[in-house]
Amino acid sequence: AQSVTQLDSHVSVSEGTPVLLRCNYSSSYSPSLFWYVQHPNKGLQLLLKYTSAATLVKGINGFEAEFKKSETSFHLTKPSAHMSDAAEYFCVVKNSGGSNYKLTFGKGTLLTVNP
Amino acid sequence: NAGVTQTPKFQVLKTGQSMTLQCAQDMNHEYMSWYRQDPGMGLRLIHYSVGAGITDQGEVPNGYNVSRSTTEDFPLRLLSAAPSQTSVYFCASSYPGGGGEQFFGPGTRLTVL
Repeated sequence: AQSVTQLDSHVSVSEGTPVLLRCNYSSSYSPSLFWYVQHPNKGLQLLLKYTSAATLVKGINGFEAEFKKSETSFHLTKPSAHMSDAAEYFCVVKNSGGSNYKLTFGKGTLLTVNP
Repeated sequence: NAGVTQTPKFQVLKTGQSMTLQCAQDMNHEYMSWYRQDPGMGLRLIHYSVGAGITDQGEVPNGYNVSRSTTEDFPLRLLSAAPSQTSVYFCASSYPGGGGEQFFGPGTRLTVL
C-alpha cells in the first residue's frame, strides 16, 4: 500500500521569500513521486517528478524537490516566491513498476503569496 | 494538440437525474482516468481504463459508470445523481512509458441539488 501526507494544509509566504511545502510518503516499493500544481479553477499541471534518477529534481518555474529515502520525504522548495505561485500543490506517489493510472494524491497544500 | 478536453465545464442537476460527463484526448494515450476532487480530500480515483474496451473501478466507483469504445473518449455516467456527488471531476490520460505522469483536463464542476 502507498500513501502520502502533506504536512501543511496552508502555507503563507511573502513575495520574494523562500517556499517550503512538505510531503512525506509511504510505499512498499521504490516509489515515483510527483508534485502537481493547480491554479484556481484550472486543471492540474505537473511541476516535477522523481523516478529513481537524481535525488534532487528540478521542475518548472524555479521549483525543485529532494527525494530523501531515509526520511521518506519529498519536500518542494523555491528560493523566492512570486505572486503567480499562489495555487494549490499536490504531492503524489506511485509504486515503482506499478500502473501509471494508480496514483495516490495528498490532500493538498494551499500556497498564499502576500505582496 | 488540444490535450485533454472535458465538457461541460459547469452543470447543475437535481437529485435523481442522470447525465454524462464527456472526456476526450488527442494524444493517443492508452490510459485514461476519472477523479473527483473534494475540499481537503485531494483527488480520488473513480474509474480508469487501460485501453479501448477495458475499464475497472478505482477508489470511489459507486454511483458512476464508464465505458471506453475508442482510445480518444472516456465518458463518465452518473446514473441517479445524489447531493454527495457534488464535486469537481477531472479526467486524465497517460501512456505506459510515461513514468506515471498524467495529463489533466480542465475539470467539470457539478452541483447536485
